[in-house]
Amino acid sequence: QKEVEQNSGPLSVPEGAIASLNCTYSDRGSQSFFWYRQYSGKSPELIMSIYSNGDKEDGRFTAQLNKASQYVSLLIRDSQPSDSATYLCAVNRGSSNTGKLIFGQGTTLQVKP
Amino acid sequence: NAGVTQTPKFQVLKTGQSMTLQCAQDMNHNSMYWYRQDPGMGLRLIYYSASEGTTDKGEVPNGYNVSRLNKREFSLRLESAAPSQTSVYFCAVLVRNEQFFGPGTRLTVL
Repeated sequence: QKEVEQNSGPLSVPEGAIASLNCTYSDRGSQSFFWYRQYSGKSPELIMSIYSNGDKEDGRFTAQLNKASQYVSLLIRDSQPSDSATYLCAVNRGSSNTGKLIFGQGTTLQVKP
Repeated sequence: NAGVTQTPKFQVLKTGQSMTLQCAQDMNHNSMYWYRQDPGMGLRLIYYSASEGTTDKGEVPNGYNVSRLNKREFSLRLESAAPSQTSVYFCAVLVRNEQFFGPGTRLTVL
């Protein structure tokens, strides 16, 4: 089992729809969770971080964390073609504060006009 | 890229050649990281540095060395490049528990 798992996709949604991206992780000691967006040929860009169970909203993005079930998700409301990218889930390794992250392989999102 | 620069942007090497990838930050933060990204593999940590003068191995350190001589710069060296090291390399800086990435170096080893 991979430490951080994501469905590689592609996930295709029509413009204006809600895109739901999911991630599961294996280390129960993990405390910090991150979503990055990566456009083709570019570097990862942090869009959300979440540390507590529940929802965290930032504009059109909502991150959801459930530590008991070991999953974290990202919802993108009113999806736009500019949201088409690969979304990377990252989880810190254990409870340490070294900042060492484990990344999933990423989910490719396609938003169709 | 949040004040993180990387050089070069592109590099082609022959097997057995050596080179150093450079990373610099202008944010005066302690922790810096080197990752590689391969298709379908996500990002994997090569080495990291918690502070000036300290380094530690990540998931895939074999074939690499690093140097953190000052707070601003963190370099990654390939002593004898192999085709398996063809990848995109990213440097990152930790800012208040969040990592911010440089633009990357695309390396091809023939």
